Amino acid sequence: AQKVTQAQTEISVVEKEDVTLDCVYETRDTTYYLFWYKQPPSGELVFLIRRNSFDEQNEISGRYSWNFQKSTSSFNFTITASQVVDSAVYFCALSEARLNSGGSNYKLTFGKGTLLTVNP
Amino acid sequence: ETGVTQTPRHLVMGMTNKKSLKCEQHLGHNAMYWYKQSAKKPLELMFVYSLEERVENNSVPSRFSPECPNSSHLFLHLHTLQPEDSALYLCASRTGLAGTDTQYFGPGTRLTVL
Repeated sequence: AQKVTQAQTEISVVEKEDVTLDCVYETRDTTYYLFWYKQPPSGELVFLIRRNSFDEQNEISGRYSWNFQKSTSSFNFTITASQVVDSAVYFCALSEARLNSGGSNYKLTFGKGTLLTVNP
Repeated sequence: ETGVTQTPRHLVMGMTNKKSLKCEQHLGHNAMYWYKQSAKKPLELMFVYSLEERVENNSVPSRFSPECPNSSHLFLHLHTLQPEDSALYLCASRTGLAGTDTQYFGPGTRLTVL
């Protein structure tokens, strides 16, 4: 069974601090995708990044960076110079492939989320 | 309008009411999902539709009834709900192409059952 663990339930930082959100996953699939989503207080889940299991290159997008390490089954997310607008719940997710009569269908397994609060 | 939209954004209903949640996607996707998000619980997948065919029903009580009349619209019909059904209901869509499985979410409907 697939599993995603976000051990940090809540993190509180002061603006401009760097913060890393941890994500550890379990899967028996050799091909899979990892995701991060942001959920601000408004409720919508905002897609941040998708990573496939064959691409271990780290990625940077502005103040956001992601560190994918297959050896430790981790996909950590770092926000540099955090801002108040970064306050949200962040979810890590893992896709599994399911085959059905209609072809492949992917299911996302979500972690429980990490509530990040950035204080001014 | 672009992306995934959901209406209503907030809904309060009594246990004997019948109501429907609506989801519409403007992304040309072929698969749509309903999720339930309760306080302090992980997102729970409820239903999956792929090319308008229901491909997953995750042991959801029959008081929740989905409908997918076409690839752009998804409904969740609610009947005789319980207070524990109060939650944020999120709709998502995906292209349906193999290997391209990013799900894009709507803003959710916050449901309160009295």
